[in-house]
Amino acid sequence: GAVVSQHPSRVICKSGTSVKIECRSLDFQATTMFWYRQFPKQSLMLMATSNEGSKATYEQGVEKDKFLINHASLTLSTLTVTSAHPEDSSFYICSAREAGEYNEQFFGPGTRLTVL
Amino acid sequence: GQNIDQPTEMTATEGAIVQINCTYQTSGFNGLFWYQQHAGEAPTFLSYNVLDGLEEKGRFSSFLSRSKGYSYLLLKELQMKDSASYLCAVMDSNYQLIWGAGTKLIIKP
Repeated sequence: GAVVSQHPSRVICKSGTSVKIECRSLDFQATTMFWYRQFPKQSLMLMATSNEGSKATYEQGVEKDKFLINHASLTLSTLTVTSAHPEDSSFYICSAREAGEYNEQFFGPGTRLTVL
Repeated sequence: GQNIDQPTEMTATEGAIVQINCTYQTSGFNGLFWYQQHAGEAPTFLSYNVLDGLEEKGRFSSFLSRSKGYSYLLLKELQMKDSASYLCAVMDSNYQLIWGAGTKLIIKP
């Protein structure tokens, strides 16, 4: 099946620093990538949807200047958490989908972010 | 508004059968997904239903009734490794996935 990787798997940073998370589709071209955040014992919350070569569409309540998303190629999307604060500590998960809305989303393994 | 409801937690015995229900109210419908998520890991795909009826895949089956806005995931011959959260998600008219809060399934020996 299709494989999506994320890097890093875990990151600990100081408050005020920026953190970049990479999401790669390894064996298919991902025209659309999704970024989710999941707090403990809660469901997935969609943060933004990005299509290759265009600006990301952010969900209501998600600050686009704080969570910078770049989807420059069909196999790579990045999420940068700028000026991270302890409340940004969460499990960040990306997923990728090939062209065609009915296609299944394939999830990356997730990135555990802890901001001290 | 859009809403997905599923039980918060269920407990079952190893070797038994369990049914996890999901009801939904969404703006449009383009299919319903079930995902399994172990603690600290990303979700993994289990099933996709877009037509009414039962889809069977090994020990797991998924049922859909579009007229009732209802689905269930049936797990047979439960194993300890089936202890996980099970997420119901509906693809709406904009092809966005609307996620339920998940059902935590606890398997006891």
